[in-house]
Amino acid sequence: AQKVTQAQTEISVVEKEDVTLDCVYETRDTTYYLFWYKQPPSGELVFLIRRNSFDEQNEISGRYSWNFQKSTSSFNFTITASQVVDSAVYFCALYANTGNQFYFGTGTSLTVIP
Amino acid sequence: EAQVTQNPRYLITVTGKKLTVTCSQNMNHEYMSWYRQDPGLGLRQIYYSMNVEVTDKGDVPEGYKVSRKEKRNFPLILESPSPNQTSLYFCASSLQGWTEAFFGQGTRLTVV
Repeated sequence: AQKVTQAQTEISVVEKEDVTLDCVYETRDTTYYLFWYKQPPSGELVFLIRRNSFDEQNEISGRYSWNFQKSTSSFNFTITASQVVDSAVYFCALYANTGNQFYFGTGTSLTVIP
Repeated sequence: EAQVTQNPRYLITVTGKKLTVTCSQNMNHEYMSWYRQDPGLGLRQIYYSMNVEVTDKGDVPEGYKVSRKEKRNFPLILESPSPNQTSLYFCASSLQGWTEAFFGQGTRLTVV
């Protein structure tokens, strides 16, 4: 079975703090893709990153970084020096080649307090 | 401008009255899908399409129909809506299933 778990339902941090959003996935496929999407208060869904199962290299993009660890089936997302504009719901998602379906986690609502 | 367009943005309807939510993309994407978003449940895939005339069920297909007669359009049809289909719906498209998805603005549906 394919599944994505985001155990943190809501997180609040004070501006400039670092915050890590957890994502744990389950799949039996050897080829799969992991994604993070952001949903700001305006409601649209914005792509942030995609990793494939063969590439465990961590990635950094500005204040954002992602840690992919197959050994723990995790794909965690860290925001460094958080800003109010980071306040949003963040979704982790899995696409497995078997079935060609997408599986989203339940999302983590992040509030950055000024 | 590359985009996915959903219509309508808001819809209130009565139980049993057939409705269609349209979705159109202008990026020549192969893969299109529909999701519903409910509090505490995240996004759940309803149906997806790998290409024209190829559609398949996602996790929560009951009560919904789709068609993919043209590459750019992927309408979602509720033949007999019920109150448990009250939700926020998103259409998405991507070049392939494993590539970046572009989402429409969402359709907030209320069935009374």
